[in-house]
Amino acid sequence: GQNIDQPTEMTATEGAIVQINCTYQTSGFNGLFWYQQHAGEAPTFLSYNVLDGLEEKGRFSSFLSRSKGYSYLLLKELQMKDSASYLCAAMDSNYQLIWGAGTKLIIKP
Amino acid sequence: ETGVTQTPRHLVMGMTNKKSLKCEQHLGHNAMYWYKQSAKKPLELMFVYSLEERVENNSVPSRFSPECPNSSHLFLHLHTLQPEDSALYLCASSRAGGDYNEQFFGPGTRLTVL
Repeated sequence: GQNIDQPTEMTATEGAIVQINCTYQTSGFNGLFWYQQHAGEAPTFLSYNVLDGLEEKGRFSSFLSRSKGYSYLLLKELQMKDSASYLCAAMDSNYQLIWGAGTKLIIKP
Repeated sequence: ETGVTQTPRHLVMGMTNKKSLKCEQHLGHNAMYWYKQSAKKPLELMFVYSLEERVENNSVPSRFSPECPNSSHLFLHLHTLQPEDSALYLCASSRAGGDYNEQFFGPGTRLTVL
């Protein structure tokens, strides 16, 4: 079957760094997405990886290892506004997104 | 209006009611999606329309009925729902076809079934 695993909740301190891990098992693979969702709002796109390696975009970076079925989202210089849920989604061979349940990130001052 | 809009934002209905959710995208996309989001569960893909034709129906109960009159509009018609159908219903749009196709989401309709 197809499955995405990510931690349910994480806590970090303002100004620090946090890494949110995601492992996936899909029928075929056409890329890995990360979305951010603030409470009561729509998910918004953060990153897309299809090749192995690290993609950096400002304070956020995303890493992919296809051989290990593993990705992580790295958030640096954490700000209070980064408190949100982070959704990992893998695209299968039919180009459909398989979603994780999301990681709720709590930022403390 | 820009992006993806959804109405209503909140809906409370009884099990015998009939209601409809509306989604509109202003991004020039030609694929639209309905998702169900329940607390602490993954997003569940319900329906996919590509080029106005339904291409995916993930074993959704018949009490949910989608309609896509054109590439910019998507409806979800609801009738005789159950309390377990209470959830956030998200609409999304993207370019049709394979390869990288980032989905853009609307703010969702928070549905409560009494």
